[in-house]
Amino acid sequence: DTGVSQDPRHKITKRGQNVTFRCDPISEHNRLYWYRQTLGQGPEFLTYFQNEAQLEKSRLLSDRFSAERPKGSFSTLEIQRTEQGDSAMYLCASSPKQSPYEQYFGPGTRLTVT
Amino acid sequence: AQSVSQHNHHVILSEAASLELGCNYSYGGTVNLFWYVQYPGQHLQLLLKYFSGDPLVKGIKGFEAEFIKSKFSFNLRKPSVQWSDTAEYFCAVNAGNTGFQKLVFGTGTRLLVSP
Repeated sequence: DTGVSQDPRHKITKRGQNVTFRCDPISEHNRLYWYRQTLGQGPEFLTYFQNEAQLEKSRLLSDRFSAERPKGSFSTLEIQRTEQGDSAMYLCASSPKQSPYEQYFGPGTRLTVT
Repeated sequence: AQSVSQHNHHVILSEAASLELGCNYSYGGTVNLFWYVQYPGQHLQLLLKYFSGDPLVKGIKGFEAEFIKSKFSFNLRKPSVQWSDTAEYFCAVNAGNTGFQKLVFGTGTRLLVSP
């Protein structure tokens, strides 16, 4: 079991640019979550997938944010027209069908918007 | 809205000292409770969890936590810390009113253990 992987690990972009992050969950985990963590805070929930269906989105997820999980395996999180306030660590987690409430986190993608 | 409070933001201990980190949550219904740990340069790892049953749960590396429903608390304890316990510790809750889908985290406690 290789764990949750995320790519890239770091992204620096200029304000106004679009960025896309990828998350590969643990194999056969049917649930996938995205969180955002800013300095000095705990992770905050953004969105959740069960298989390919996006079942919940936080109010934090403005219309500039979109997430997909097209085949129920990997997921992408896109931020359009980035703003400096988007600078944060973006975390992905997954959980297995047999223990859906246990979430296993990836290393995160650190986004810096200049 | 649900919230999780971790009152100690920074804790400094010497090796072999006992540790207790506080965690309180605001939701009154059925909850699942978790402690996650993030070692320097590493990702969040699940330390221990409580779903039901015995309110005293044991996790990895000698950690334990006690769920006290009447106090809405889930404090983390370790009798004797080691330098390698230096990390940031997050308490998290998921609750029945949200279908247990999302974790709500506290702001974390940075623990520094001096050798």
